Amino acid sequence: SSELTQDPAVSVALGQTVRITCQGDSLRSYYASWYQQKPGQAPVLVIYGKNNRPSGIPDRFSGSSSGNTASLTITGAQAEDEADYYCNSRDSSGNHVFGGGTKLTVL
Amino acid sequence: QVQLQESGPGLVKPSETLSLTCTVSGGSISSYYWSWIRQPAGKGLEWIGRIYTSGSTNYNPSLKSRVTMSVDTSKNQFSLKLSSVTAADTAVYYCARDRWFGEILEYYFDYWGQGTLVTVSS
Repeated sequence: SSELTQDPAVSVALGQTVRITCQGDSLRSYYASWYQQKPGQAPVLVIYGKNNRPSGIPDRFSGSSSGNTASLTITGAQAEDEADYYCNSRDSSGNHVFGGGTKLTVL
Repeated sequence: QVQLQESGPGLVKPSETLSLTCTVSGGSISSYYWSWIRQPAGKGLEWIGRIYTSGSTNYNPSLKSRVTMSVDTSKNQFSLKLSSVTAADTAVYYCARDRWFGEILEYYFDYWGQGTLVTVSS
């Protein structure tokens, strides 16, 4: 399957740790990338590859992968982390595919 | 710092062709992949397709019959045409730089445009 599945919504208490997951058969073979999108803004890359952060992304964001599941972990969530998060990878035909997105609420 | 800017009509009539251009500044368009991605209001991201600066393309199978992408390296621009549009094509359209590293299994979009809203309506 070329689909990536995410939980629609996740919540976390301020300062706590939250894991956002992405499931799909393609993740057994390829790394996921993760994007943060705030209302009215373009997505921003936060994690790519095995566990790489672009310049300017806080180190509280980390990525991991096991089997068919990729995870984005925010350690010590901040109010400004409230956003939609999307995973992305590729399928066997060489096309990109996005997950449906997870809305993160910071309580 | 690489910057991308989408441009094109914000309103397209049903059955007509949507045409957008992405202008890249702060770096060369050459030797990279470039993608178009769209997002209907309140919904998730959908990858439309990718073009390399040689002109080779990959398109989302669900849109392939209606999509054409092209690149103009002399202007540092790449373009999207989507034919026979319907209301379902109403969305914010983003252009992005597409990093495709098959040898290390990494695939991601590192720079995005701000997005442009295209509405399909008569």
